[in-house]
Amino acid sequence: QQQVKQSPQSLIVQKGGISIINCAYENTAFDYFPWYQQFPGKGPALLIAIRPDVSEKKEGRFTISFNKSAKQFSLHIMDSQPGDSATYFCAASNSGGGGNKLTFGTGTQLKVEL
Amino acid sequence: NAGVTQTPKFRVLKTGQSMTLLCAQDMNHEYMYWYRQDPGMGLRLIHYSVGEGTTAKGEVPDGYNVSRLKKQNFLLGLESAAPSQTSVYFCASSYSLQVPRDEAFFGQGTRLTVV
Repeated sequence: QQQVKQSPQSLIVQKGGISIINCAYENTAFDYFPWYQQFPGKGPALLIAIRPDVSEKKEGRFTISFNKSAKQFSLHIMDSQPGDSATYFCAASNSGGGGNKLTFGTGTQLKVEL
Repeated sequence: NAGVTQTPKFRVLKTGQSMTLLCAQDMNHEYMYWYRQDPGMGLRLIHYSVGEGTTAKGEVPDGYNVSRLKKQNFLLGLESAAPSQTSVYFCASSYSLQVPRDEAFFGQGTRLTVV
């Protein structure tokens, strides 16, 4: 079963625009929600992460919004740049579950056009 | 500081052949993981380890075995490869007792094709 659902599957945004990727989770034991960025031929790399005690976290142009009651969280990329073109994965884990195992969404391919 | 290193980067196997993928990390991490990445399915956990000498099954463990004889190494074995195991395999590590963090660091991946 897909415990973390991610949408959209692909996204095209104009340079300078806002990219928004959404995720929903089912397991209420999840308490750590990272976003990973992956470029072709490379491994995923942590972009930004949030815990459920806050509703928003911002790092530069990247913001996570978190809605605990709706069990949803989203990534906003402000002033999107061609260099942001990559695949983005949301994920979730239960730090008390032993091993901090990440459950990933299915990924969003972002293309930022000039 | 290399981080997480996977060997090999590419491999083609015939159905029924066996092979071992090696993962090495130099960050003194306690936890290590093997994921597989398939189009449209994200990354799925195969096996993981919370310490030297321990292993556990993840979401898709069938057809794979693992070993963690040394803290810095995590091996993934395919005893009898099948075309369904064609995938990109990623190793990751996380959590240091000295610097407790949740961030998982990934290797560059191994692209495996089974024909």
